[in-house]
Amino acid sequence: EAGVVQSPRYKIIEKKQPVAFWCNPISGHNTLYWYRQNLGQGPELLIRYENEEAVDDSQLPKDRFSAERLKGVDSTLKIQPAELGDSAVYLCASSLDPGARTEAFFGQGTRLTVV
Amino acid sequence: AQKITQTQPGMFVQEKEAVTLDCTYDTSDPSYGLFWYKQPSSGEMIFLIYQGSYDQQNATEGRYSLNFQKARKSANLVISASQLGDSAMYFCAMRGDSNYQLIWGAGTKLIIKP
Repeated sequence: EAGVVQSPRYKIIEKKQPVAFWCNPISGHNTLYWYRQNLGQGPELLIRYENEEAVDDSQLPKDRFSAERLKGVDSTLKIQPAELGDSAVYLCASSLDPGARTEAFFGQGTRLTVV
Repeated sequence: AQKITQTQPGMFVQEKEAVTLDCTYDTSDPSYGLFWYKQPSSGEMIFLIYQGSYDQQNATEGRYSLNFQKARKSANLVISASQLGDSAMYFCAMRGDSNYQLIWGAGTKLIIKP
């Protein structure tokens, strides 16, 4: 069974440019997460979806970040315009449900460099 | 508030030795789950092991075991017979029933020496 698939793996853009990341979760997983991981730190949640509904986006910088999960499967995360401080690894994860005892499975991430 | 603390920023261990990675947590939730993940240099976050707060026995998965001491609020990861491929960042994480957000520690960088 395929794991969580993310693309692209790497992205280098100039500041003020837009960028988008794509995620395909594990089949049947209703819960999808987007995390941002800065160098040397643990991941920080940006947004959590239950099917197509964003149920926790409290840490998403909504002035420049947006996300969608059409049809409750694939998801895209967009940054417009990008800033130097957005350089990080963006991780997508999925799980069967959001329960406390349910592990999340991660993709390989997209390493974004803003220059 | 929920919090995960990993006090070891880095560790060097000789190949084939056992290694213990420390993790302490703080939560007011009566029910919660504790997770360990491995992140090699390739970047992917790999799930290793899970421990539930009401589980009576310590979790084990192959060479990985979790030393769960609920009263001390600690959930240390033990890797037996370490291998060169175990070199990676290791993260402890927690999720409680009151908040489905996965709370992460800062990680421990483990380097296995041949």
